[in-house]
Amino acid sequence: KAGVTQTPRYLIKTRGQQVTLSCSPISGHRSVSWYQQTPGQGLQFLFEYFSETQRNKGNFPGRFSGRQFSNSRSEMNVSTLELGDSALYLCASSSALTGGETQYFGPGTRLLVL
Amino acid sequence: AQSVTQLDSHVSVSEGTPVLLRCNYSSSYSPSLFWYVQHPNKGLQLLLKYTSAATLVKGINGFEAEFKKSETSFHLTKPSAHMSDAAEYFCVVSEKGPRGSTLGRLYFGRGTQLTVWP
Repeated sequence: KAGVTQTPRYLIKTRGQQVTLSCSPISGHRSVSWYQQTPGQGLQFLFEYFSETQRNKGNFPGRFSGRQFSNSRSEMNVSTLELGDSALYLCASSSALTGGETQYFGPGTRLLVL
Repeated sequence: AQSVTQLDSHVSVSEGTPVLLRCNYSSSYSPSLFWYVQHPNKGLQLLLKYTSAATLVKGINGFEAEFKKSETSFHLTKPSAHMSDAAEYFCVVSEKGPRGSTLGRLYFGRGTQLTVWP
């Protein structure tokens, strides 16, 4: 079974621009969570989607948003990029059939904001 | 509320010697605990998980962890380190609701960088 895939893998943007990152979960997984990883703050939870509904949200500004499609693929969007948004963005999927809590991570999208 | 504290930011061992990575947790409800590993420029790989079954959990690549409720600890061990074990390790607790339902959010420790010397 294919793992979690994320596109693109690398991205360079300038301040003020917006960006959209994509995540395809493991086949059959309906929950997708997003995390931001930075050297200063570590790994922080952004939000979680299940069956196209946001179920949980972390403490990030409204510039960070996401959505999930009927095929469980998810996108996250960051508007009005700031230098501090430079990070590795990881998505993870999980399945209620395997306990729901175990999350399987993709390779991440590394975003650099100049 | 859930939180995780990894007691060492860096651990160095020689190849063939034991590895101990320490983790303490805080959780309002019966916790589910995990260890993940991250190799450079890679995503997170699940090493093992504890979900209220046996307190000694065996994972991949010879790693194991012991859940100790009285000490609120979940330390990761390996009897003999290998060069390929060099990576960053994260102790993680899962957020649960009042009725034990999964809320889809993981809380990560700050990570322990493991260096293995030849």
